Amino acid sequence: KAGVTQTPRYLIKTRGQQVTLSCSPISGHRSVSWYQQTPGQGLQFLFEYFSETQRNKGNFPGRFSGRQFSNSRSEMNVSTLELGDSALYLCASSLNPREGSYGYTFGSGTRLTVV
Amino acid sequence: GENVEQHPSTLSVQEGDSAVIKCTYSDSASNYFPWYKQELGKRPQLIIDIRSNVGEKKDQRIAVTLNKTAKHFSLHITETQPEDSAVYFCAAPTSYGKLTFGQGTILTVHP
Repeated sequence: KAGVTQTPRYLIKTRGQQVTLSCSPISGHRSVSWYQQTPGQGLQFLFEYFSETQRNKGNFPGRFSGRQFSNSRSEMNVSTLELGDSALYLCASSLNPREGSYGYTFGSGTRLTVV
Repeated sequence: GENVEQHPSTLSVQEGDSAVIKCTYSDSASNYFPWYKQELGKRPQLIIDIRSNVGEKKDQRIAVTLNKTAKHFSLHITETQPEDSAVYFCAAPTSYGKLTFGQGTILTVHP
């Protein structure tokens, strides 16, 4: 079966711009979680969506937002980009973590560079 | 709390030696403990996991042990090989159903 697909793979944006990243989960997976990965901070949780509802949110400013569609595909948006937003953004899909189905499968990530 | 502490941050071993990475967690409700391996430029991949009703789990050269009383779990890699070189992450769920990751351990296996 197809894995988790993230698009685009690479992005270069200018400070102040906004960006939208996309994640298509494994077929049948209804939960999508987003993480920011930087060399110094590891994997930082952004948010989790399940059945089009945001269930969990990490400690990121309101510039970071997301949504999930009825087909479980998810997008995350970052507005007013800052240099510090440069990172690898990973999404992970699973059946339903709250029911103990924690088998996270990660996508390849989107490498965002803000200049 | 939602902290997952991982040690060491870097680990260097000779091929054939064993490697041990340890994690502690703070949420007593955590019941699932996965380990991920991330090779350079690639996605994190699940290599082994353990649930709270089990104390140890093995899969060929890798094993995970869990001590729920002390709230810590460890990854053990025996007979290390150069291809084991990667960043390893532990994780634990919080009571809200999200996975919180440790800071990662850079494992280097020297031939």
